[in-house]
Amino acid sequence: SQQGEEDPQALSIQEGENATMNCSYKTSINNLQWYRQNSGRGLVHLILIRSNEREKHSGRLRVTLDTSKKSSSLLITASRAADTASYFCATAGNMLTFGGGTRLMVKP
Amino acid sequence: DGGITQSPKYLFRKEGQNVTLSCEQNLNHDAMYWYRQDPGQGLRLIYYSQIVNDFQKGDIAEGYSVSREKKESFPLTVTSAQKNPTAFYLCASSTWTALMNTEAFFGQGTRLTVV
Repeated sequence: SQQGEEDPQALSIQEGENATMNCSYKTSINNLQWYRQNSGRGLVHLILIRSNEREKHSGRLRVTLDTSKKSSSLLITASRAADTASYFCATAGNMLTFGGGTRLMVKP
Repeated sequence: DGGITQSPKYLFRKEGQNVTLSCEQNLNHDAMYWYRQDPGQGLRLIYYSQIVNDFQKGDIAEGYSVSREKKESFPLTVTSAQKNPTAFYLCASSTWTALMNTEAFFGQGTRLTVV
């Protein structure tokens, strides 16, 4: 069973707009990570947030974590066409478990 | 260059054949993972290994087997018992003792097709 579930499953926006993706999970975690996957490629790590952190920034990325609601969000600001990809959250306990992903399309 | 390498990139299997997918890493990582990804879907864990000569089943281990004889290598065999093996297979590695706080590195994947 997948630990994380992303919402929405697909998102289409114009370049320059912000993109927000949400992730919900079921059990206790040590940390939550976000990854990006370009079509037909491996995943690339974007950002990690520990269970005792509430918000983290990296460039145009902002991640929040609410352990009481077992949810996280990834915000990409000022999106670019090159941000078009699938984005996955992953929860880290004894193993790394991924959700179903959000497919983001950024139109130029 | 340090990294994780999967081979081959594309693999074709006939019905009833076993095939082995290679995964090698030179990152000195303790933990290695195999995931399966179907079109438009997320990643499902097949097997993982936290240390040499030890591995655990993930969510969809049936029809697959692995070995971990060396720290650098974690090959996956797709057996004839796996009835629907056509998928994209991804291998990953990470530090284990620091899994709680570090990222996983992924290979570029192997696309397996049954012909």
